[in-house]
Amino acid sequence: GAVVSQHPSWVICKSGTSVKIECRSLDFQATTMFWYRQFPKQSLMLMATSNEGSKATYEQGVEKDKFLINHASLTLSTLTVTSAHPEDSSFYICSAISGASSPLHFGNGTRLTVT
Amino acid sequence: AQRVTQPEKLLSVFKGAPVELKCNYSYSGSPELFWYVQYSRQRLQLLLRHISRESIKGFTADLNKGETSFHLKKPFAQEEDSAMYYCALRAGNQFYFGTGTSLTVIP
Repeated sequence: GAVVSQHPSWVICKSGTSVKIECRSLDFQATTMFWYRQFPKQSLMLMATSNEGSKATYEQGVEKDKFLINHASLTLSTLTVTSAHPEDSSFYICSAISGASSPLHFGNGTRLTVT
Repeated sequence: AQRVTQPEKLLSVFKGAPVELKCNYSYSGSPELFWYVQYSRQRLQLLLRHISRESIKGFTADLNKGETSFHLKKPFAQEEDSAMYYCALRAGNQFYFGTGTSLTVIP
């Protein structure tokens, strides 16, 4: 149980275009979803926290206009990287919790490469 | 402020040797701590949490509030234990991760 599906697994896009990444909780309702960025052999950097039906809370230094997060339902959150640049190339991971005592359940991540 | 520290970025042990991955935390409230593991080309997955007090894949971790530590231990390392390990602290609805320790078990 508690499966989080993230799509796509990898994407290559041209500089200046936008990319949308989907995160779905398949068998539970995700009260809160988190978006992380992971650099090679480094830790997870929390980008933002989103609750269904409300605006995402962004971490300091993360541009909300560049990384648009929508949490339209209890099973779906999307991250849109707008006007992508090569420095946005990274591994993006979503995760979700199902309640107050729930651990984090992770998606399989999305490898974004901006050319 | 909440903080999770994993002092070792890299750790290598021989197969069959004991292994300990260190984790220290800083939190003013009652902590809830986790260990997550990421095997090569796989997603992060929960290994264990302190409230469960169980052993998973031979690993155990005890919360020591006096030393503010939650070290992960296994008496006999196996090659399949080679992975990236992250210690995490939950504070309300927020999770704070350490920088991770890459464990390599040498055959």
